[in-house]
Amino acid sequence: ETGVTQSPTHLIKTRGQQVTLRCSSQSGHNTVSWYQQALGQGPQFIFQYYREEENGRGNFPPRFSGLQFPNYSSELNVNALELDDSALYLCASSTAGQGMNTEAFFGQGTRLTVV
Amino acid sequence: AQSVTQLGSHVSVSEGALVLLRCNYSSSVPPYLFWYVQYPNQGLQLLLKYTSAATLVKGINGFEAEFKKSETSFHLTKPSAHMSDAAEYFCAVSRMDSSYKLIFGSGTRLLVRP
Repeated sequence: ETGVTQSPTHLIKTRGQQVTLRCSSQSGHNTVSWYQQALGQGPQFIFQYYREEENGRGNFPPRFSGLQFPNYSSELNVNALELDDSALYLCASSTAGQGMNTEAFFGQGTRLTVV
Repeated sequence: AQSVTQLGSHVSVSEGALVLLRCNYSSSVPPYLFWYVQYPNQGLQLLLKYTSAATLVKGINGFEAEFKKSETSFHLTKPSAHMSDAAEYFCAVSRMDSSYKLIFGSGTRLLVRP
């Protein structure tokens, strides 16, 4: 089975721009969660998607939005980028529902730098 | 509400010595608890998890952790440190369901001296 893959691995954006990060979930997984990890800190939960619907959100403003597609891959979109958005963005996939319970597998992350 | 506190942002041990990384949690509902490891410029790898079965949980690479409800703790231990254990370790909590919305601690960097 393939693991969780994220793209791109690194990117640099200018303050005020918009960015889209992508995540392909592990084969057979139906749930994708996104986390922001600022330098020297633990990951913070942004939101989760389950079967294409948002299934919980952390303390992030509406300019952070997401999508999940029928193949369970996902996008994280951030509008009006701020310098504090510079971080490692991690995607995790898992399987939920119908008595199934798997651990969350993480991708390698996308390093976003806002200048 | 749930939260995790990791005591000690840096822990330094000698190779072959006991590793002890501390984690205390707060949760208004029965928790799932996790330890993850992160190597430089990489994502997170699950070391072990507590999901209400045995309170002593064994994980990969010789690590184990014990869930102590009375102390609200889930400390990570390894009897003998190896140089390859040097990394950042994160404790995390989630609700006792399958959604895996993880709340992480701030992390502990483990340094292993030769």
